[in-house]
Amino acid sequence: AQSVTQLGSHVSVSEGALVLLRCNYSSSVPPYLFWYVQYPNQGLQLLLKYTTGATLVKGINGFEAEFKKSETSFHLTKPSAHMSDAAEYFCAVTWGGGNKLTFGTGTQLKVEL
Amino acid sequence: GAGVSQSPRYKVAKRGQDVALRCDPISGHVSLFWYQQALGQGPEFLTYFQNEAQLDKSGLPSDRFFAERPEGSVSTLKIQRTQQEDSAVYLCASSTGETQYFGPGTRLLVL
Repeated sequence: AQSVTQLGSHVSVSEGALVLLRCNYSSSVPPYLFWYVQYPNQGLQLLLKYTTGATLVKGINGFEAEFKKSETSFHLTKPSAHMSDAAEYFCAVTWGGGNKLTFGTGTQLKVEL
Repeated sequence: GAGVSQSPRYKVAKRGQDVALRCDPISGHVSLFWYQQALGQGPEFLTYFQNEAQLDKSGLPSDRFFAERPEGSVSTLKIQRTQQEDSAVYLCASSTGETQYFGPGTRLLVL
């Protein structure tokens, strides 16, 4: 079955440090890939997505992610963490427009002074 | 424009009670999805509509769960005879293509 794995349920970084959140998927067919952020008691907000074309995608709030087909990965990065980045981040995949999303279990990002 | 809205935001139900959760999608969005998010977990797919047609209900956990979208816009997720394991956040999303836009969710607590 197709699945999404997010390594590290909790990640802690210092303010100003690099943020790296990992996401791998298992499928022989490249999916569409998404990163969503969830703040407490709120729904999911789209950060960025990869469908086709350039494998390095830029999103909101300074985040970016690179699709690496050979590694079946779509890791999320941000050069410099800000306190407001503290939230839960979900990687999700789908195989075609209109299809259901399969989510990872999420990574809680903590940003420390 | 307005995003996806859901009501109620919070619902407390006694075990055995029926509940109805409402989703108002973004105007013009053909596709509508329901997901269930248990505490500390990622959302899990429940069901999918394209206009008024329910094309996939493979994620509904039991026959106590029922969803409808009679006019192809507002959708209702109904849970009959609620059980404690139904406690979760229920998320609705709508889309016109590959990107799904989520509502704030309904947090259901079954006592």
